[in-house]
Amino acid sequence: GEDVEQSLFLSVREGDSSVINCTYTDSSSTYLYWYKQEPGAGLQLLTYIFSNMDMKQDQRLTVLLNKKDKHLSLRIADTQTGDSAIYFCADSGGATNKLIFGTGTLLAVQP
Amino acid sequence: NAGVTQTPKFQVLKTGQSMTLQCAQDMNHNSMYWYRQDPGMGLRLIYYSASEGTTDKGEVPNGYNVSRLNKREFSLRLESAAPSQTSVYFCASSERPQGGTQNIQYFGAGTRLSVL
Repeated sequence: GEDVEQSLFLSVREGDSSVINCTYTDSSSTYLYWYKQEPGAGLQLLTYIFSNMDMKQDQRLTVLLNKKDKHLSLRIADTQTGDSAIYFCADSGGATNKLIFGTGTLLAVQP
Repeated sequence: NAGVTQTPKFQVLKTGQSMTLQCAQDMNHNSMYWYRQDPGMGLRLIYYSASEGTTDKGEVPNGYNVSRLNKREFSLRLESAAPSQTSVYFCASSERPQGGTQNIQYFGAGTRLSVL
């Protein structure tokens, strides 16, 4: 079945760039999403990318998509302590109504 | 701007008790979802409702039932709670345009459930 994988933990210093990686298996994915979950809260959509794009930039966020390798990454420039959260990658197959979520990456930002 | 509202926020149950988790959305979305979140396992889909009047099983439906009461409300019922159902439960909704593949989901704040 479809699978989405992420590393569990990333630690960076404030002001550095963070790169969170994700791999997926569904070759029919049309949209891929990044969600952020702050402590004690639900998930909030950060950004998404359509499968015919290689890159999408939105202020401090850059999403890179390598469709050949089925690899997605989220880069956060100038990481702040407020960026500390769990980041989920999610894959939406072509005709399915479901999202497949990765395990989430806990980003810890050290002051 | 309530979005997706879940009640209750916290609940403690004894093994064998039953309860219903409530979810309502005010965005006129067609699709609604129930997930559970467990450490190291991400979010797993329990049930979803693509449109009013329909429900389908997700990845982990055993031990749960759902009701799509109307377009706004989608409830999750535990008939006989078990310790393995201790988890954080999230409800979500999405517009899911007709014939489209984009599926941006909006989440509630979650219900933290402990089964003793």
